Amino acid sequence: EAGVTQFPSHSVIEKGQTVTLRCDPISGHDNLYWYRRVMGKEIKFLLHFVKESKQDESGMPNNRFLAERTGGTYSTLKVQPAELEDSGVYFCASSQVYQGFSGYTFGSGTRLTVV
Amino acid sequence: AQKITQTQPGMFVQEKEAVTLDCTYDTSDPSYGLFWYKQPSSGEMIFLIYQGSYDQQNATEGRYSLNFQKARKSANLVISASQLGDSAMYFCAMREGEAGGFKTIFGAGTRLFVKA
Repeated sequence: EAGVTQFPSHSVIEKGQTVTLRCDPISGHDNLYWYRRVMGKEIKFLLHFVKESKQDESGMPNNRFLAERTGGTYSTLKVQPAELEDSGVYFCASSQVYQGFSGYTFGSGTRLTVV
Repeated sequence: AQKITQTQPGMFVQEKEAVTLDCTYDTSDPSYGLFWYKQPSSGEMIFLIYQGSYDQQNATEGRYSLNFQKARKSANLVISASQLGDSAMYFCAMREGEAGGFKTIFGAGTRLFVKA
């Protein structure tokens, strides 16, 4: 089966511009997560979708970040307007199980650089 | 409060030797899971091993084993017979139960260098 796919793999944008990251989870995985790793620090949770609903968005840093998962398939994460501190690697992960303890399947990440 | 602590930013190991990557965690939830992920230079995050808080035995997966010491709240990863391909970033993670919203949190990672 295809894994979790993220697009683009790299993005360099100027401060104030808009960027949209996309994640295609494994088919049939209802749970989709966004994480990011900034400046070599720990990987931090952003939000969790169950199908098309936001189950937990407590990790979203501010209202410049907007995540959607229309139709419960792929998800997008939009940053508008981008700031320098948004630079980092954005990971998407998916899983079948929510309340259990299965490992996630991660994508390769999108490296975002804001200049 | 930091819930996952990886105190080794970088580690070196000789090829074919064993190496232990440290991880301590903090939770008041009696039900939780502990995970290790590997991130090679290609960037993807690879799930390695899982240990449940109620598991009596340490988890093992091939050359990976998790040294689970519940009272000390540590979940160290042991890699036996290191290979050059083991050079990567390793992340310890914890997923709490219902009390923690089933959220997975990660440590800052340890970069492992395997020397030939």
